[in-house]
Amino acid sequence: DAGITQSPRYKITETGRQVTLMCHQTWSHSYMFWYRQDLGHGLRLIYYSAAADITDKGEVPDGYVVSRSKTENFPLTLESATRSQTSVYFCASSESDRWGTEAFFGQGTRLTVV
Amino acid sequence: TQLLEQSPQFLSIQEGENLTVYCNSSSVFSSLQWYRQEPGEGPVLLVTVVTGGEVKKLKRLTFQFGDARKDSSLHITAAQPGDTGLYLCAGANSGNTPLVFGKGTRLSVIA
Repeated sequence: DAGITQSPRYKITETGRQVTLMCHQTWSHSYMFWYRQDLGHGLRLIYYSAAADITDKGEVPDGYVVSRSKTENFPLTLESATRSQTSVYFCASSESDRWGTEAFFGQGTRLTVV
Repeated sequence: TQLLEQSPQFLSIQEGENLTVYCNSSSVFSSLQWYRQEPGEGPVLLVTVVTGGEVKKLKRLTFQFGDARKDSSLHITAAQPGDTGLYLCAGANSGNTPLVFGKGTRLSVIA
């Protein structure tokens, strides 16, 4: 299917466990982003990537790791999950970094850390 | 850090009413985008405004970019239950910095 897909849609994990959220896009967009969405905070950028093997920190990167070995995939790993990382995570992609370029979002992954 | 303040945070209105939501900043942006997010889904782009003073219409939705490119508004005429959702504004700058999102306005239109 064309577009941007996230997996899993829902995940429950225990404190201290490592968990990886997957993101795959079929457009060959250069830019990919990970956001978390929390009540009262809106969408906050965790990490972004301008191309394969190029990643950069966003507003709230602590506790997260990303990689981008292939243009179409941008996994987000929580190295040791904490309850404060309970959130809805959105992956997005865009064609370029040029201002005004549309960002396309996945459906989100709802992560609960118990 | 550039911030976008959206108001009101919550809005509940009856079908057929008009409403305006606002997106304000002390910073200048090259462009502003408006997204709508429905429950269980990711945000979807509605419009991008790039010129100060620009007005764009999308059916019953009217978007305006402030003359100084620091603020924007979204006006909905004769709201319908299908307009229910979270409306997010996002600012972009020239260069390669990612979008800055506001916290959103959660709109509920009651039939």
